Amino acid sequence: DTAVSQTPKYLVTQMGNDKSIKCEQNLGHDTMYWYKQDSKKFLKIMFSYNNKELIINETVPNRFSPKSPDKAHLNLHINSLELGDSAVYFCASSKWEVAGGVQFFGPGTRLTVL
Amino acid sequence: TQLLEQSPQFLSIQEGENLTVYCNSSSVFSSLQWYRQEPGEGPVLLVTVVTGGEVKKLKRLTFQFGDARKDSSLHITAAQTGDTGLYLCAGGGVGETSGSRLTFGEGTQLTVNP
Repeated sequence: DTAVSQTPKYLVTQMGNDKSIKCEQNLGHDTMYWYKQDSKKFLKIMFSYNNKELIINETVPNRFSPKSPDKAHLNLHINSLELGDSAVYFCASSKWEVAGGVQFFGPGTRLTVL
Repeated sequence: TQLLEQSPQFLSIQEGENLTVYCNSSSVFSSLQWYRQEPGEGPVLLVTVVTGGEVKKLKRLTFQFGDARKDSSLHITAAQTGDTGLYLCAGGGVGETSGSRLTFGEGTQLTVNP
């Protein structure tokens, strides 16, 4: 069974459109994350949720809105897509640990904005 | 803001050679994790080190956490083509306010040629 799954794997869309990426984990973790990996492979935290509560919100445009319907799901909705949003988006999950828990990553969603 | 600098950014070697990747910071981390990412996939944990001066071995890979918990290194002995990938170090924050957050380094792209 896949531990952390994301859909879709690839997303190609036009500038200005709205799109969503879904993430589910079956590891029983209480914390979930969204990361953006740019073309230089730098992995940047965007959001983190613990028990459905937003705990990390980096400097991300408010066009990006995460939603956590329950502890096992964290979806990412993006409004008015821009060219600079093209990247690979990774969902991850972990147990909540003060020292930084081991994170399990999904396979990524490659978003291309044309 | 805690930052982790990895070096080198790119490394291309021949099979059988040894190599070391470095991860440095001016900040103290509660733990240091190393991940490996292959094309089209999410990062996968290799090891976690938590004690200053700790050394862990995983077959041909040796991981060390600096005494002051500000730096780490990954040494690979007799590299194989299967070691090719992006290696990421990630530091766990210190203190309750850091939560379960990890700070990722910029990554080292390793290519092992046959």
